[in-house]
Amino acid sequence: GAVVSQHPSRVICKSGTSVKIECRSLDFQATTMFWYRQFPKQSLMLMATSNEGSKATYEQGVEKDKFLINHASLTLSTLTVTSAHPEDSSFYICSAWAGAGRHGYTFGSGTRLTVV
Amino acid sequence: DAKTTQPNSMESNEEEPVHLPCNHSTISGTDYIHWYRQLPSQGPEYVIHGLTSNVNNRMASLAIAEDRKSSTLILHRATLRDAAVYYCILRANFGNEKLTFGTGTRLTIIP
Repeated sequence: GAVVSQHPSRVICKSGTSVKIECRSLDFQATTMFWYRQFPKQSLMLMATSNEGSKATYEQGVEKDKFLINHASLTLSTLTVTSAHPEDSSFYICSAWAGAGRHGYTFGSGTRLTVV
Repeated sequence: DAKTTQPNSMESNEEEPVHLPCNHSTISGTDYIHWYRQLPSQGPEYVIHGLTSNVNNRMASLAIAEDRKSSTLILHRATLRDAAVYYCILRANFGNEKLTFGTGTRLTIIP
């Protein structure tokens, strides 16, 4: 089936630094990828929709200058958390539409970000 | 987006069937009913989806009410590995449409 590889799985960074999370579709081309954030005991919250070759579409309340999304190819999207602060600590998950024949959405395994 | 309502939590004994309900009274004619589950510290994974007819696959069955205002995910024989949060999501039948997650049902399997 369709596979999305997300790295790193865990990252700890100092407050004020930036962290990049990569999401790759391994066996299909993903024209659209989605980025979610999940706080403990809560559901997934969509942050932005990433479209290959164009600017991402951010959900209301998500700072586009803080969460930089790049989708330069059909198999790679990146999320960079800039000037991270402890309140950015969360579980970040990417997802891609693999097509109707592959049951739709495939998710990465997630990245646990801890900002200290 | 049409919303879904699920119980916050359910428990089931191991090796017994589990019926996870979902209400979606405002579903539109073009909405598919999707089920995903999320195991602890992992991204969600696809379980099953359907439009009008009941669906079966190797993981589960999906029973859809005739008026489509509710559905039930059926795990025929629960194992400890089925312990997860199960999300019932409506999605319009368009490519690349985003998935909006509700709170889901946290399923606990009792050995």
